[in-house]
Amino acid sequence: NAGVTQTPKFRVLKTGQSMTLLCAQDMNHEYMYWYRQDPGMGLRLIHYSVGEGTTAKGEVPDGYNVSRLKKQNFLLGLESAAPSQTSVYFCASRQGRTRTTNEKLFFGSGTQLSVL
Amino acid sequence: QKEVEQDPGPLSVPEGAIVSLNCTYSNSAFQYFMWYRQYSRKGPELLMYTYSSGNKEDGRFTAQVDKSSKYISLFIRDSQPSDSATYLCAIRGYSTLTFGKGTMLLVSP
Repeated sequence: NAGVTQTPKFRVLKTGQSMTLLCAQDMNHEYMYWYRQDPGMGLRLIHYSVGEGTTAKGEVPDGYNVSRLKKQNFLLGLESAAPSQTSVYFCASRQGRTRTTNEKLFFGSGTQLSVL
Repeated sequence: QKEVEQDPGPLSVPEGAIVSLNCTYSNSAFQYFMWYRQYSRKGPELLMYTYSSGNKEDGRFTAQVDKSSKYISLFIRDSQPSDSATYLCAIRGYSTLTFGKGTMLLVSP
């Protein structure tokens, strides 16, 4: 049971290049999230999904696109990378659609992205 | 005003000290409050959660919510060097969690 797996762990891009970050979870969770974490800014939500085939914008969606074609995967795309997108990206998932109040968010180990 | 405010620290204490970490929030509709702990170069992990006002205790950790003041706290008793990490408060809305910026805690032996 791997939990939430993010690939790649590190990546360096040049301005204008594109890339896709992959998040995979093996817990059959409905809800998946992409966050970015920057020094002094905390965790900020980029996009999220409440089920297969659905996506929604978070707090900082500009410059990113996402897709949830399969329940277990949530992809984050950067079409034209900018230095402002240098950050650590975290994917997370939770069961969702239950009545429990203590649903915890399971996080991946992060992707360190540098845009030069 | 950001929905969740948290002092980033760092907060440095000696081993054995009582630590108090705090957040304020603006939306009175929030019902679920959580604390996550994040070690360096790792993803956050859920430490504690509380529902509405009151206290919840788990070992050396106590989470407290005061909805009238929109104030949440995490207390750590007998702090240990292994508690050195960043602590993030989180407020749960309908589908999403809003995090504070996190407070870095350093516990020296």
